[in-house]
Amino acid sequence: GAVVSQHPSWVICKSGTSVKIECRSLDFQATTMFWYRQFPKQSLMLMATSNEGSKATYEQGVEKDKFLINHASLTLSTLTVTSAHPEDSSFYICSADEGQQNTEAFFGQGTRLTVV
Amino acid sequence: GEDVEQSLFLSVREGDSSVINCTYTDSSSTYLYWYKQEPGAGLQLLTYIFSNMDMKQDQRLTVLLNKKDKHLSLRIADTQTGDSAIYFCAESINSGYALNFGKGTSLLVTP
Repeated sequence: GAVVSQHPSWVICKSGTSVKIECRSLDFQATTMFWYRQFPKQSLMLMATSNEGSKATYEQGVEKDKFLINHASLTLSTLTVTSAHPEDSSFYICSADEGQQNTEAFFGQGTRLTVV
Repeated sequence: GEDVEQSLFLSVREGDSSVINCTYTDSSSTYLYWYKQEPGAGLQLLTYIFSNMDMKQDQRLTVLLNKKDKHLSLRIADTQTGDSAIYFCAESINSGYALNFGKGTSLLVTP
């Protein structure tokens, strides 16, 4: 199946700094990428939908100025957590689809963010 | 969005069958999915079912869909200790590729 890679797998940062997470589709072009957040023992919540070459669509309650999404190419989307706070500590996971008549979006392995 | 409901915990003995239940919300969902998440890892797609199907079998996995009741189940036959993980059911949002997940069912398989 198609491969989606996230980088880094884990990151620790200080409060107030910004962290960038990359999501790459390795062997296909991703028309759309999705960003999810998972708090401990909770479900994955969709944060935003990222379309190549256009602005991301954010879900209700997700601050677009805090979670900056860039989808500059068909194989890369980035999520930047700006001015991170401890409450932003979470597991962030992306998925990507090929935009064809496929049955699934492919998930990255996730990024564990800890803000201290 | 509205909640996809799952039982939070299930414990079974090795060799028994496991049945994980899920109630979803969007009757227009085209696909319904089951994902597996092991500790500290990402999501692994186990199986999916198209909304016009009642059942799908894939080796040890059987998915049953009751569209009238919006009820989905995953049966794992001959459950092994390696099956211990969190299982998420998910529905497609507006029949697209974005997903609405349940809270996950933590499956513990004991020897």
